[in-house]
Amino acid sequence: DTAVSQTPKYLVTQMGNDKSIKCEQNLGHDTMYWYKQDSKKFLKIMFSYNNKELIINETVPNRFSPKSPDKAHLNLHINSLELGDSAVYFCASSLRTSGYEQYFGPGTRLTVT
Amino acid sequence: QKEVEQNSGPLSVPEGAIASLNCTYSDRVSQSFFWYRQYSGKSPELIMSIYSNGDKEDGRFTAQLNKASQYVSLLIRDSQPSDSATYLCAVKVGNDMRFGAGTRLTVKP
Repeated sequence: DTAVSQTPKYLVTQMGNDKSIKCEQNLGHDTMYWYKQDSKKFLKIMFSYNNKELIINETVPNRFSPKSPDKAHLNLHINSLELGDSAVYFCASSLRTSGYEQYFGPGTRLTVT
Repeated sequence: QKEVEQNSGPLSVPEGAIASLNCTYSDRVSQSFFWYRQYSGKSPELIMSIYSNGDKEDGRFTAQLNKASQYVSLLIRDSQPSDSATYLCAVKVGNDMRFGAGTRLTVKP
């Protein structure tokens, strides 16, 4: 009965490659998020989608492109991977956009070599 | 000034003691406040949410909010070694959730 799931859990790839991370939530939430946690453990929001519509797009290189086919799924595609993209990427969801608790997936550890 | 500030620690307390974690935030219109616990190599796990001034208790955890001082804290009573983790303060302003850098807590047996 996993609430927020992500695949893959680990991703090791070379610079210049394109990769995707998938996220699914079965909580019936309307809003989903992507966060990046760097080596210093700082958690920073990247994108937020509400009912398949983009509502937050922080200053993120346009090599990162989120896609939400339906409100239960939010995928992250990364083009032309760079060394600095190495981090843990967390997906999260909340019931609505404002004021509600966010629940996190297990994370995807991306290593770019 | 950082939007959400926490003392990075490490904060070390003996088992059974009270651990006190503090957080300040810069945006006065912040409405919702959360504490997350993150074990090493794991995802953040929600512990408490607080929306109005005062104290909110849940088991061994008490969250305290003072909007006038832009301050939110988390007290952990009867600290256990299993409480050893990084505690993240999060502040929601509109659609945005801003996290502090976290305070690393170690509870020594």
